[in-house]
Amino acid sequence: DIQMTQSPSSLSASVGDRVTITCRASRSISNYLNWYQHKPGKAPKILIYAVSNLQSGVPSRFSGSGSGTDFSLTISSLQPEDFATYFCQQTYSTVTFGGGTKVEIK
Amino acid sequence: QVQLQESGPGLVKPSQTLSLTCTVSGASINSGGYYWTWIRQPAGKGLEWIGRVYSTGDTYYNSSLKSRVTISADTSRNHFSLHLTSVTAADTAMYYCATGQHSTTWPLRFDSWGRGTLVTVSS
Repeated sequence: DIQMTQSPSSLSASVGDRVTITCRASRSISNYLNWYQHKPGKAPKILIYAVSNLQSGVPSRFSGSGSGTDFSLTISSLQPEDFATYFCQQTYSTVTFGGGTKVEIK
Repeated sequence: QVQLQESGPGLVKPSQTLSLTCTVSGASINSGGYYWTWIRQPAGKGLEWIGRVYSTGDTYYNSSLKSRVTISADTSRNHFSLHLTSVTAADTAMYYCATGQHSTTWPLRFDSWGRGTLVTVSS
């Protein structure tokens, strides 16, 4: 199985901060990398698919980049509604997920 | 927009079978090239893909669970189900159903998820 290592596992940030979360695959996954946002009690929501493509309706402050084994999700200016858990997912070989990053208010 | 809703018992006894259903609205379960998927998350741990049934009825499971898992689709009720046999406390988790469509252009992504249902394995 492809292991996805996500970091950090949590972070504290303020509204307006730029936040970057990284995800590393145990082997190359081409562009088979997606990012999701999850708030307690709600269904996870896809933000970014195929590394850098913004899902319809997702604010442009979210962006993704990377290739091969190293990927990142950036929130350019953190908003109050962005405090949540974020996780990466690879679909290159079956499906595995990163461990998640909880973004908390500083 | 596809909507998903998980349902089933919240408490299962050890050694018994965990059975959950995911009711689908906004799409037909036997068309459209969807991967109807089950995922779980134990408390404090990461997400684990359990397996999926494709619109054609083909199934594919996580190798670590394959001996205990069955995922099936009921086209008459437009839902799909998860059955996990011989459960232990390690199977206690939030269980989610999710789906995404097959695409020749883009890698698979899960556009729609349920809110999840907590299943506790305990006597």
